[in-house]
Amino acid sequence: EIVLTQSPATLSLSPGERATLSCRASQSVSSYLAWYQQKPGQAPRLLIYDASNRATGIPARFSGSGSGPDFTLTISSLEPEDFAVYYCQQRSSWPLTFGPGTKVDIK
Amino acid sequence: EVQVLESGGGLVQPGGSLRLSCAASGFTFSSYGMSWVRQAPGKGLEWVSDISGTGDGTYYADSVKGRFTISRDNSRNALYLQMNSLRAEDTAVYFCAKAYRGDRYSFDYWGQGTVVTVSS
Repeated sequence: EIVLTQSPATLSLSPGERATLSCRASQSVSSYLAWYQQKPGQAPRLLIYDASNRATGIPARFSGSGSGPDFTLTISSLEPEDFAVYYCQQRSSWPLTFGPGTKVDIK
Repeated sequence: EVQVLESGGGLVQPGGSLRLSCAASGFTFSSYGMSWVRQAPGKGLEWVSDISGTGDGTYYADSVKGRFTISRDNSRNALYLQMNSLRAEDTAVYFCAKAYRGDRYSFDYWGQGTVVTVSS
């Protein structure tokens, strides 16, 4: 099973600041990594698929990069609606796995 | 507009069974893999099971293998999860999710979830 580790667990930032979230896989997942945003009481929303491709309707301030074991989600300038939990997910091999999440909260 | 809507959750005793359903619309259902993902109270996301668009490929998390069965009816645009021998640790919100492309299992549309509570 591929284990995904996300860091930091919590990121405290102010609106307008840049957020950098990390996801590391226990073995290479090539570029088969996605990022999701989840707000309380809501379903997850796909932000990035295959490491760097923005999903439909996702603002350009969200970007993904990386390959192999190390990936980054960057939010260039935080908007009030961006404060949420972010999960990475690999689809390189079964069982599919999610990271434990990074909570981005308001400083 | 793509929509997926889960139903069938509820309170069940340990050892009991439950069948979840997911009604899909707004896309060519048979062309996409579908999955179940769950989230225990206050916890992160856990993948449960996938099924290919044709229904001939299925995968399960070890935690549910042998107890849960995923299936689909492409004539009804419906996805199912039969859950048997339920345990307290199966308590969660269960989400139905659509693969973003064919059988590429990252998920671009999710339902709002159905709550399963396993308790005596």
